[in-house]
Amino acid sequence: DSGVTQTPKHLITATGQRVTLRCSPRSGDLSVYWYQQSLDQGLQFLIQYYNGEERAKGNILERFSAQQFPDLHSELNLSSLELGDSALYFCASSEGQNTNYGYTFGSGTRLTVV
Amino acid sequence: AQSVAQPEDQVNVAEGNPLTVKCTYSVSGNPYLFWYVQYPNRGLQFLLKYITGDNLVKGSYGFEAEFNKSQTSFHLKKPSALVSDSALYFCAVTSDSNYQLIWGAGTKLIIKP
Repeated sequence: DSGVTQTPKHLITATGQRVTLRCSPRSGDLSVYWYQQSLDQGLQFLIQYYNGEERAKGNILERFSAQQFPDLHSELNLSSLELGDSALYFCASSEGQNTNYGYTFGSGTRLTVV
Repeated sequence: AQSVAQPEDQVNVAEGNPLTVKCTYSVSGNPYLFWYVQYPNRGLQFLLKYITGDNLVKGSYGFEAEFNKSQTSFHLKKPSALVSDSALYFCAVTSDSNYQLIWGAGTKLIIKP
């Protein structure tokens, strides 16, 4: 157990729907990062939050949004889902806002869009 | 711009033989380098990192990596491979001039009995 908790582990939904993925960071970590891992595009950084504020943005689609709450858990919202959104979505956390010491990953949410 | 290259999509090694998974990088500023491993249907697990100091870094599960500044490389090594080492390995880099972590495409390591 890495200390980073992601729910749900698996999610199957239809095209056009909206889903919410949840992440609880490791105790003491203030930063949360979201990644998408698909077979053909490898590991793609989506977005980072630090202590409730957006810190960095990567290749996140406009249909996707995220937020970090006062208790530091984070949610990734995916809307108007398409077949191509099927992927593993990982959350990671770190103590600080910079990544020079690396971070800890959760076990991921596998999203299947049918 | 920062970048990481893992030139091999897949590496095949016989059990008991030494293994090397290659990683080269390009950054401005001082690099911070990482290796992570991903087992099937699992999240990424931290193996080791280079921040500063000794160029040979020892990590989890008997892995080590050597930082080579002149060749801008950070190859992952293990003296004797185990079948259980079979997994997907990712190299990542950041620097003190740009704190975003950049990931390589991953190398699939297959250890055959």
